[in-house]
Amino acid sequence: ETVMTQSPATLSVSPGERATLSCRASQSVSSNLAWYQLKPGQAPRLLIYGASTRATGIPARFSGSGSGTEFTLTISSLQSEDFAVYYCQQYNNWPQTFGQGTKVEIK
Amino acid sequence: QVQLVQSGPEVKKPGASVKVSCKASGYTFTDFYIHWVRQAPGQGLEWMGWINPNSGGTNFAQRFQGRVTVTRDTSISTAYMELSRLTSDDTAVYYCARFHGDYGLGWFDPWGQGTLVTVSS
Repeated sequence: ETVMTQSPATLSVSPGERATLSCRASQSVSSNLAWYQLKPGQAPRLLIYGASTRATGIPARFSGSGSGTEFTLTISSLQSEDFAVYYCQQYNNWPQTFGQGTKVEIK
Repeated sequence: QVQLVQSGPEVKKPGASVKVSCKASGYTFTDFYIHWVRQAPGQGLEWMGWINPNSGGTNFAQRFQGRVTVTRDTSISTAYMELSRLTSDDTAVYYCARFHGDYGLGWFDPWGQGTLVTVSS
């Protein structure tokens, strides 16, 4: 199966700063990649699909890029509500697989 | 709005079974597959399988085959995931999610709020 590796495991960022999260696939997943935000006790939230398309209602400060095996989620100016764990998911190869997550914490 | 609401937390003994429900609202239940994903403590997300609410057809990740059953009741727009022969490794938050894609590959939106299943003697 396709292994998704996210880095870093934890990212410490001050509010208002930019956060850059990476996701690497063990084999090409084309642009079939999604990003999700998870907060404790809440339903996971779809942010990005197709590597770069923002889901409905997602603020423009979230952007996704990449194709093949290297992907990036950028949060341009962190707001208090953005401190959470972020997961990437590939859906190009069976079975679809998730990364281990990047925790974005307050610096 | 489109919403998935799951049943409450469960505590089960090893060897028992658990059944989690996922009630959909805000859309036509039979128009979208429902997938199940779990997250064990300190671990990442793990895809389990799906159900086609229209036909009742299912498919599961190999590691769950023979141990998981997913059903649906279209009259109440609800999907159910039953996991049997529980062990402590099954302690996790279980999520249902509406699927967007083809041939079982796609993204998930929205998700249910999650159901914590604790397996402990």
